[in-house]
Amino acid sequence: DIQMTQSPSTLSASVGDIVTITCRASQSINDWLAWYQQKPGKAPKLLIYKASTLESGVPSRFSGSGSGKEFTLTISSLQPDDFATYYCQQYNTYFSWTFGQGTKVEIK
Amino acid sequence: QVQLEESGGGVVQPGRSLRLSCAASGFIFNNYGMHWVRQAPGKGLEWVATIWYDGGDIYVADSVKGRFTISRDNSKATLFLQMNTLRAEDTAVYYCARDAGYSNGWYVYWGQGTLVTVSS
Repeated sequence: DIQMTQSPSTLSASVGDIVTITCRASQSINDWLAWYQQKPGKAPKLLIYKASTLESGVPSRFSGSGSGKEFTLTISSLQPDDFATYYCQQYNTYFSWTFGQGTKVEIK
Repeated sequence: QVQLEESGGGVVQPGRSLRLSCAASGFIFNNYGMHWVRQAPGKGLEWVATIWYDGGDIYVADSVKGRFTISRDNSKATLFLQMNTLRAEDTAVYYCARDAGYSNGWYVYWGQGTLVTVSS
């Protein structure tokens, strides 16, 4: 199975900060990576797919980059609504999709 | 608008069975792959099973292989997860999710989730 490792596990930031979350795959997944945002008690929400394509309706302050084994989710100016947990997900391998362990973005 | 509504969760004893359903509306159900994803209390997301748009391809995580079965009824726009021989470690919120297309692999829409608690 492809392992996905996110860093950091927890991140403390202030409104207006630039936030960067990294996701590393145990083997190349080309650009078959998605990012999700999850708030407590809610279902995840798709932010980005194919590593860098912004899902419709998602604010442009979110961006994704990377290919191969290393990927990044960036929030250009953190807003109060952005405090949540973020997950990466690889879909390179049909028979075994995997998520990262999550990165919790907390208020500093 | 797209809606996914899970049902069938509850408290069940270890070794027993449970069947989850996911009623879909707001889109042409048989044009999309469907997935089950679970989240144990306080933990991260775990992919459970996938069935492509026509039911022709099915994939199940190793952690539930041989115990869980995914299926769909396109005539009723409903996704199912049959869970047998349940274990304590299967306790989780189970989400159904719609694929971006026939078989793209990322999850565009999610249900609200249904809680399954396996406990004696």
